[in-house]
Amino acid sequence: DTEVTQTPKHLVMGMTNKKSLKCEQHMGHRAMYWYKQKAKKPPELMFVYSYEKLSINESVPSRFSPECPNSSLLNLHLHALQPEDSALYLCASSQVGTAFNYGYTFGSGTRLTVV
Amino acid sequence: TQLLEQSPQFLSIQEGENLTVYCNSSSVFSSLQWYRQEPGEGPVLLVTVVTGGEVKKLKRLTFQFGDARKDSSLHITAAQPGDTGLYLCAGYGGDQAGTALIFGKGTTLSVSS
Repeated sequence: DTEVTQTPKHLVMGMTNKKSLKCEQHMGHRAMYWYKQKAKKPPELMFVYSYEKLSINESVPSRFSPECPNSSLLNLHLHALQPEDSALYLCASSQVGTAFNYGYTFGSGTRLTVV
Repeated sequence: TQLLEQSPQFLSIQEGENLTVYCNSSSVFSSLQWYRQEPGEGPVLLVTVVTGGEVKKLKRLTFQFGDARKDSSLHITAAQPGDTGLYLCAGYGGDQAGTALIFGKGTTLSVSS
């Protein structure tokens, strides 16, 4: 299995809602990432997990809360979002130690719209 | 802070034309990676260059890593409409905890028939 699976593919939520994005991989990768991408812009790093521990938080607002319950799963919990948070949220994974050569595997993303 | 400058930002060409995309930095990278992204999808890795001066070919795409490992280029020969997409260069600084891929701003390529 060489895929990163993200669910849901599309999500519309109100500013008072609580929702979660899910990401799953079965490649044995021990590093997982959340990126946010606006239209025609590059992905912006949000969080990095290495061996299920949070290693990078790029000063992301607390309304975004990541969770890595095991080595295959990565969640992003959303609460009280703003319309400007509407974007494509991408999950990626990589091997620790070989990412420089084999790169990241990205999921197809969740298209989030905050109304 | 390591930054990657990518140019041009937008490119609109006719089928059959050649093009080159550049990715430059003042920092040295362990590797530079090129990704291609289609609308509504995640980026897909095209190639990784690791050694200074390295040249890699992927069908009509030629990738080069600068001798000093600070820059890279992507050359497409005889572009086709299927090459349309967002091309992203990404630099990898290291594998220590606290590092991740750094993306350039991307080049949006449109190839018309």
